[in-house]
Amino acid sequence: KNQVEQSPQSLIILEGKNCTLQCNYTVSPFSNLRWYKQDTGRGPVSLTIMTFSENTKSNGRYTATLDADTKQSSLHITASQLSDSASYICVVSDGLQKTSYDKVIFGPGTSLSVIP
Amino acid sequence: EAQVTQNPRYLITVTGKKLTVTCSQNMNHEYMSWYRQDPGLGLRQIYYSMNVEVTDKGDVPEGYKVSRKEKRNFPLILESPSPNQTSLYFCASSLAAYGNQPQHFGDGTRLSIL
Repeated sequence: KNQVEQSPQSLIILEGKNCTLQCNYTVSPFSNLRWYKQDTGRGPVSLTIMTFSENTKSNGRYTATLDADTKQSSLHITASQLSDSASYICVVSDGLQKTSYDKVIFGPGTSLSVIP
Repeated sequence: EAQVTQNPRYLITVTGKKLTVTCSQNMNHEYMSWYRQDPGLGLRQIYYSMNVEVTDKGDVPEGYKVSRKEKRNFPLILESPSPNQTSLYFCASSLAAYGNQPQHFGDGTRLSIL
């Protein structure tokens, strides 16, 4: 069964510190992996998208990595800010129907709290 | 401003009273989708539409209906709501249903069915 797991479930860090969130998936075949940020009371917003051939992608202080062999991804946040407090969701698309529809499987998310 | 707009944002209603949650996007996107988000479960797809007049079931379609008469609108209909449909609902759209297109999400509709 195609699944996406994330760890930790929640995380509290001090402002200015770095952190890394993990995503493991069993989706096959693989099309792409995305990280979304979801602020409280808002819809998810795309941070990065990576395909099979990409192993690193950055968006400002956010850096995502992908190891397609081990089916793992991580999201590293550098010099955290209070505004980074949010839920981070890993989303994997399967590649079964390349020209019509990519089914997306959402992870449960990691809740990050950045405190002063 | 490019956006996905859902209405209402909050709704408390009673079992059996039909309701509609509207969703509209202004980006001329072909693909639209409805999700529900429950604690610890992540987002689960209810229905999706690849274009006008084309809709299909997602993972949890029971108790829901949708329609896509116009490209920009994709309403979610609960004909006879039940308490197990109490959830946070998101509408999303993207340029296409495949490839590296990110989905753009609305800000959610919190439904409480008593």
